[in-house]
Amino acid sequence: KAGVTQTPRYLIKTRGQQVTLSCSPISGHRSVSWYQQTPGQGLQFLFEYFSETQRNKGNFPGRFSGRQFSNSRSEMNVSTLELGDSALYLCASSLDSNNEQFFGPGTRLTVL
Amino acid sequence: AQTVTQSQPEMSVQEAETVTLSCTYDTSESDYYLFWYKQPPSRQMILVIRQEAYKQQNATENRFSVNFQKAAKSFSLKISDSQLGDAAMYFCAYRRVMTGTASKLTFGTGTRLQVTL
Repeated sequence: KAGVTQTPRYLIKTRGQQVTLSCSPISGHRSVSWYQQTPGQGLQFLFEYFSETQRNKGNFPGRFSGRQFSNSRSEMNVSTLELGDSALYLCASSLDSNNEQFFGPGTRLTVL
Repeated sequence: AQTVTQSQPEMSVQEAETVTLSCTYDTSESDYYLFWYKQPPSRQMILVIRQEAYKQQNATENRFSVNFQKAAKSFSLKISDSQLGDAAMYFCAYRRVMTGTASKLTFGTGTRLQVTL
């Protein structure tokens, strides 16, 4: 079975721009969660989607949004990028909310 | 709010030796999961081991085992016969059991494990 895939793997943007990151979960997994990893704040939960519905959201500003499609693929969008948004964004999928999460390789976002 | 604490920012172990990574957590819940994840330099987060809080028996996965002390809210990871490939950042994580909605993973700050020859 193919693992969780994330595209792109690396991204460089400038302040004020917006960005869209994509995540394809393991086949059959309906839950997709997003995490932000930075040296200063560590790993922080962004949001979780299940069957196209956002079920949980972390403490991030409204500039961070996401969605999930009928095939369980998920995208997250960050608008009006700030320097502090530079991070590794990790996506994780699971069968449902109470199963272990399997992580993708991450997207490294650099904001200049 | 749940918190996870890893008090050892860095650890070092010689190849073939045993090392124990510490983790404590704080929660008022009685039903939850605990995990250890490994993040090598490739940055891919890999699940090492999982423990259900209702199970008294400590989980084991080959060379990896945990010491789960529910009353003390302690969850340590023991790596036996350490190998060079074990060098990575290790994260302890907590997840509450919920029905009908999602429960996020709460991570500790990580322990960087170095394996020396």
